[in-house]
Amino acid sequence: AQSVTQPDIHITVSEGASLELRCNYSYGATPYLFWYVQSPGQGLQLLLKYFSGDTLVQGIKGFEAEFKRSQSSFNLRKPSVHWSDAAEYFCAVAILTDSWGKLQFGAGTQVVVTP
Amino acid sequence: KAGVTQTPRYLIKTRGQQVTLSCSPISGHRSVSWYQQTPGQGLQFLFEYFSETQRNKGNFPGRFSGRQFSNSRSEMNVSTLELGDSALYLCASSLLQGKNTEAFFGQGTRLTVV
Repeated sequence: AQSVTQPDIHITVSEGASLELRCNYSYGATPYLFWYVQSPGQGLQLLLKYFSGDTLVQGIKGFEAEFKRSQSSFNLRKPSVHWSDAAEYFCAVAILTDSWGKLQFGAGTQVVVTP
Repeated sequence: KAGVTQTPRYLIKTRGQQVTLSCSPISGHRSVSWYQQTPGQGLQFLFEYFSETQRNKGNFPGRFSGRQFSNSRSEMNVSTLELGDSALYLCASSLLQGKNTEAFFGQGTRLTVV
């Protein structure tokens, strides 16, 4: 069965420390991968996406993610976290079709930033 | 450029009633998708419309329906509301031009069923 797994439900990180959020997927075909962020009461904002090519992708707000086909992973990283990074982060997958409207999301990782 | 606009932002309904939510996509975007977000089930795909046609549908009962108009605006309707329909309903629009496309989300409609 197709699935997207975010193993960490909740992560607490100190401001200025590095952050890594994990995402694993299970699909037969090559997936197209996304990371979204959601602040309380808000919609989803796209941080970055991977379609093909360079496996290390850069996104907005200083985030980057690395696609590892052998591990079926697409982990999100940020070298130095700011208090404004506190939010919920979702990994999502779209299968290659003519429709990008159908995304499957992971359960999300809540990130708390401490002073 | 205006983003995806969802109205209303908040809604309170009684069990058994019906509700209609509206989504205006980004200008030029012809694909509109709807998602339900709840604490227990997370983000779940409801359906997708493209050029007034439903192209994909998630695993939801027939009480959930939608449509898209010629100007790409979309509505979703939930009939005979149940307490479990309380959720944040998110709409996303996309341009669908090859690989350089992405889904842009609105701020959502928070539906509370009492």
